[in-house]
Amino acid sequence: EAGVAQSPRYKIIEKRQSVAFWCNPISGHATLYWYQQILGQGPKLLIQFQNNGVVDDSQLPKDRFSAERLKGVDSTLKIQPAKLEDSAVYLCASSLVGENTEAFFGQGTRLTVV
Amino acid sequence: AQTVTQSQPEMSVQEAETVTLSCTYDTSESDYYLFWYKQPPSRQMILVIRQEAYKQQNATENRFSVNFQKAAKSFSLKISDSQLGDAAMYFCAYRSAWGNEKLTFGTGTRLTIIP
Repeated sequence: EAGVAQSPRYKIIEKRQSVAFWCNPISGHATLYWYQQILGQGPKLLIQFQNNGVVDDSQLPKDRFSAERLKGVDSTLKIQPAKLEDSAVYLCASSLVGENTEAFFGQGTRLTVV
Repeated sequence: AQTVTQSQPEMSVQEAETVTLSCTYDTSESDYYLFWYKQPPSRQMILVIRQEAYKQQNATENRFSVNFQKAAKSFSLKISDSQLGDAAMYFCAYRSAWGNEKLTFGTGTRLTIIP
């Protein structure tokens, strides 16, 4: 079974530039998550989708971050414009819908803003 | 809101020995799930073990076991017969049994295995 795919693996940009990350979840997984993991911290949920609808985006800085999940499959997370404090690993995860389910994670994208 | 605390930023253990990683959490809910995830340098989070709060029996998975103390809100991970491949960051995580399935993570413990 193919896992959660993310690209790119690494990205370096200058502050005020834009960047986009892509995630392809495990086939059949209706729920998709984007987490931000700042160095030395645990991952923090940015946004959660169920199919193509948003379940939770309470921690998403909406003035600069946006995410979409067209057709309820792939998802894109965008930052525009980036700030130095956005340097982090961005992890995508997916799961089936339901109480007793497991989230599967991708390998993440390491973003460095200089 | 739920919080998860891991008070050991780093731990080390001799190969083949046993090590225990600590985790405490705060919640007002009675039904929830607790997890331990392993994050190697590849950055991919890998589920090690999970515990349902309504189960009194501690979960075990081969060399990995937990000590779940619901009243104390404590959830420690014991790794027996430590192997070099166990070296990684370990994160404790909480998930409510109701509502959305988001995970709340602790700050992690870096485990080093000494050959």
